[in-house]
Amino acid sequence: AQSVTQPDIHITVSEGASLELRCNYSYGATPYLFWYVQSPGQGLQLLLKYFSGDTLVQGIKGFEAEFKRSQSSFNLRKPSVHWSDAAEYFCAVGGEYGNKLVFGAGTILRVKS
Amino acid sequence: AAGVIQSPRHLIKEKRETATLKCYPIPRHDTVYWYQQGPGQDPQFLISFYEKMQSDKGSIPDRFSAQQFSDYHSELNMSSLELGDSALYFCASSLTYLGQGAYEQYFGPGTRLTVT
Repeated sequence: AQSVTQPDIHITVSEGASLELRCNYSYGATPYLFWYVQSPGQGLQLLLKYFSGDTLVQGIKGFEAEFKRSQSSFNLRKPSVHWSDAAEYFCAVGGEYGNKLVFGAGTILRVKS
Repeated sequence: AAGVIQSPRHLIKEKRETATLKCYPIPRHDTVYWYQQGPGQDPQFLISFYEKMQSDKGSIPDRFSAQQFSDYHSELNMSSLELGDSALYFCASSLTYLGQGAYEQYFGPGTRLTVT
């Protein structure tokens, strides 16, 4: 069965510091991996996706993620965090042909000034 | 760019009442998904439709039903509401090319259902 683990429930970083959010997945076939961001009471915004090819993918808002098959990981990174990045971040895995997404439990990011 | 539209945005119902949530996917998107997100939880898949046919089913209670119409909009019908149904309900849509694999899902703003 497919599953996603986000080991960190909360992370606090200082504004301007670098960020890495961890994501590990379990999926029997080729995974399609996504990172979404959700502000309180809001919808889910797609940050980036990985389907195939280059294992380092760039997304919106200066985020990037690296797919490492050997580690079953898809960690999200940002070199310099802004206060507006404070939100909850969800990693998700999906399959082919419009399959459902399975989400991790989410990581709440706090940014301190 | 057009996004997924959901209505209503907020809904308050009493126990045992019924509720209907509507979703209008991004134009030309052929697949619609419904997810439920409880307080402090991650979104859980309920059901999906591809070209108006149910394509997958998740943890959707028997009290819930859904369909996709000829104009591709979808409705989630919820009956005999329980307190535990209080949640944020998301609709997402994607464009799924046959034989090309899944494409990203775009989420609507959600409908917040409160059952009292």
